[in-house]
Amino acid sequence: DTGVSQDPRHKITKRGQNVTFRCDPISEHNRLYWYRQTLGQGPEFLTYFQNEAQLEKSRLLSDRFSAERPKGSFSTLEIQRTEQGDSAMYLCASSPGRNQETQYFGPGTRLLVL
Amino acid sequence: AQTVTQSQPEMSVQEAETVTLSCTYDTSESDYYLFWYKQPPSRQMILVIRQEAYKQQNATENRFSVNFQKAAKSFSLKISDSQLGDAAMYFCAYRAGAQKLVFGQGTRLTINP
Repeated sequence: DTGVSQDPRHKITKRGQNVTFRCDPISEHNRLYWYRQTLGQGPEFLTYFQNEAQLEKSRLLSDRFSAERPKGSFSTLEIQRTEQGDSAMYLCASSPGRNQETQYFGPGTRLLVL
Repeated sequence: AQTVTQSQPEMSVQEAETVTLSCTYDTSESDYYLFWYKQPPSRQMILVIRQEAYKQQNATENRFSVNFQKAAKSFSLKISDSQLGDAAMYFCAYRAGAQKLVFGQGTRLTINP
């Protein structure tokens, strides 16, 4: 069984472009979480899914951000019209779905907006 | 709102010695979970240890143990017999229910050979 995977690992884009990141959770994990981590800080919650349903979104998730989890498997996070302030590490985590369970993190996608 | 505070931005310890990392949190919940995660320079977040708030016994995982003081809302991590591979950022995190993790600012741990 593999861990959480994310693709791409690195992304450099120009301001104003759209980017999309993918996360593949651990097999049969029902919950999937997205976090953002800027340099020297702890991760901050963005959104999470229970199966295909998006149950909570942070106020950090502006209208330019959208996340999906079709069929309750992999998830995508899209950022439209990127800004330099979007530069960060985007982390995905998954958990089995019972309240007591630990979240397991992927390696992250590092985004640099020029 | 729940908050997590790590007051030590950096710590260092001699190899084979013991070090304690501090964490305090604020919550009005009675049922919650606390975690310590390690993030090595490769940046993948790895779970070190977790504690359920309803358990009075402090969690232990090999060389890692916690001192959980519920009334004081304190959750420190003790690393015994420090090894070079323990060098990393350590994050304390809180979770209530099925929801998000709330992280502290992190403590950078350096191991001196």
